Amino acid sequence: EPEVTQTPSHQVTQMGQEVILRCVPISNHLYFYWYRQILGQKVEFLVSFYNNEISEKSEIFDDQFSVERPDGSNFTLKIRSTKLEDSAMYFCASSEVVNGNYGYTFGSGTRLTVV
Amino acid sequence: QQPVQSPQAVILREGEDAVINCSSSKALYSVHWYRQKHGEAPVFLMILLKGGEQKGHEKISASFNEKKQQSSLYLTASQLSYSGTYFCGTDTGSLTSYGKLTFGQGTILTVHP
Repeated sequence: EPEVTQTPSHQVTQMGQEVILRCVPISNHLYFYWYRQILGQKVEFLVSFYNNEISEKSEIFDDQFSVERPDGSNFTLKIRSTKLEDSAMYFCASSEVVNGNYGYTFGSGTRLTVV
Repeated sequence: QQPVQSPQAVILREGEDAVINCSSSKALYSVHWYRQKHGEAPVFLMILLKGGEQKGHEKISASFNEKKQQSSLYLTASQLSYSGTYFCGTDTGSLTSYGKLTFGQGTILTVHP
């Protein structure tokens, strides 16, 4: 069964450093998302991406965050200057269509720890 | 505004049934249900579209009451493998939302032998 692949699985970084989280969505999917989940809490929307541009972003997704799809397959989330409160599990998800009979396929996540 | 799930936690013995509810204050186009096991990614269970349909997936089914903006997930004859946190995700169907989901806070389901 097709998978969404995320790397790295774990990342520890110093406060103020830049991190790039990588995702390879399912090849025929058109809609891409980043969500994050602080330990034990709900899954929070960060950003949606369609047709090579951001379609919607949350209040969390401020100027320190950016997304790219540099080569038509990878989908990256960059956090420019990490803060302690950015520590969370970051999930990439993709979907073939929206509002059809298809849900998201989530990647296995990147656990980001900011120290 | 996030949907509200109830109950927050359920403890069952194998073979027992459970119902998890998801309620939104906004008009919804669809409701998704996901199950997440500890340390893993959420896994898609089913989607309910506007129209009040009910869907089934093995012994797990769900309904969507469009008038009340509520969805319920029904787990019958529970198995140990059903343990996990269940999230509903709601989509208002906005033309600009592109399938963005807002997730509830989750319901922790524990099934004991």
